[in-house]
Amino acid sequence: DQQVKQNSPSLSVQEGRISILNCDYTNSMFDYFLWYKKYPAEGPTFLISISSIKDKNEDGRFTVFLNKSAKHLSLHIVPSQPGDSAVYFCAASSTQTGANNLFFGTGTRLTVIP
Amino acid sequence: DAGVIQSPRHEVTEMGQEVTLRCKPISGHNSLFWYRQTMMRGLELLIYFNNNVPIDDSGMPEDRFSAKMPNASFSTLKIQPSEPRDSAVYFCASRNTGAYGELFFGEGSRLTVL
Repeated sequence: DQQVKQNSPSLSVQEGRISILNCDYTNSMFDYFLWYKKYPAEGPTFLISISSIKDKNEDGRFTVFLNKSAKHLSLHIVPSQPGDSAVYFCAASSTQTGANNLFFGTGTRLTVIP
Repeated sequence: DAGVIQSPRHEVTEMGQEVTLRCKPISGHNSLFWYRQTMMRGLELLIYFNNNVPIDDSGMPEDRFSAKMPNASFSTLKIQPSEPRDSAVYFCASRNTGAYGELFFGEGSRLTVL
């Protein structure tokens, strides 16, 4: 039923180390993927995205990797900083349906320990 | 520029009461989305509008839920009658139709039904 899955509800990482957040999807029609970051009492904010024509997209400390055959994507944060502590949502859409609906995962709470 | 504005930020009500959540999208955005966040299901799409017209309301859980968008700058999500299982954070988001993926979220309305 859940088309986008984030199987790790939480992750703790030491400051300066790499954080790796994982996401799996089931719908082969998905071709555009996004990561959102959410702080307490705030709405989610867009972080980074990737199209299925790529297998990697990098923006500063954040890199998203896409493995289409495995229907898996991951977000790498290097180096991790205490300010990165937040809930991270993976989202997916199908541009063939107009990309209007984003399907979100349940989120992973990242804690970066100083 | 003002972001997506939601009200109220917090609502506590008793079972059976009517609840109305409000949203003002970003000016110029012509797609508006209502999401509900729960621990079990993450961010679920309830309904979305393009140019004030409801496009997909398949996520609306029951007839107790209804949404309207009378004009481009205002939308409401109504629950009548409310039940304890409706307790969640409700997010409104907007973007330009056709803009791949990225949604701009409001800060959310936390609803508690006793």
